[in-house]
Amino acid sequence: AQTVTQSQPEMSVQEAETVTLSCTYDTSESDYYLFWYKQPPSRQMILVIRQEAYKQQNATENRFSVNFQKAAKSFSLKISDSQLGDAAMYFCAYRSLDNYGQNFVFGPGTRLSVLP
Amino acid sequence: EAQVTQNPRYLITVTGKKLTVTCSQNMNHEYMSWYRQDPGLGLRQIYYSMNVEVTDKGDVPEGYKVSRKEKRNFPLILESPSPNQTSLYFCASSLRRTVSPLHFGNGTRLTVT
Repeated sequence: AQTVTQSQPEMSVQEAETVTLSCTYDTSESDYYLFWYKQPPSRQMILVIRQEAYKQQNATENRFSVNFQKAAKSFSLKISDSQLGDAAMYFCAYRSLDNYGQNFVFGPGTRLSVLP
Repeated sequence: EAQVTQNPRYLITVTGKKLTVTCSQNMNHEYMSWYRQDPGLGLRQIYYSMNVEVTDKGDVPEGYKVSRKEKRNFPLILESPSPNQTSLYFCASSLRRTVSPLHFGNGTRLTVT
């Protein structure tokens, strides 16, 4: 079974600075998908960014980018020019393609605080 | 608007009193699932469904039931709730076998006393 680890339970960043959230996963599969979700205090789960494992190019969405290291099984999220609205819980998620892709596995989350 | 509608948003009940949390999606997604979120544990899958009448256990299915009689609906049933089922619950849906992400409902905060 796949596992997802987020080793930083809490992090903080100064407004306008850059922060990187780490995520590692364990799998024996060669093809899969990876996601970062944001959960603000409203508790809504919001998709931040997605990455397909067969693509070597790192995904980017505006101020959010990932560093995908397939061999190292690492999928970190970089937030540039941090804003107060970025304060939230961030979850890394792995989607398996086995059994028609029903297996989503989430990490324990990293709580990000943004300091004014 | 494409969405997953989950109700109720908050629920307080007593041990042993059966309850149902409803979930409906309007995106024609084949895949639907239920998660519970607990501090330090992230989201853990309770049950999932690949299509109508097809359901399977996730990682923490004990004490829960589901049904998928229609493609759009996937209710979560707690026949005899216990305090250890106090948690934040999410319903989610997705297209199957693509890069499609999970689309989440707004969550149900359940307290069992």
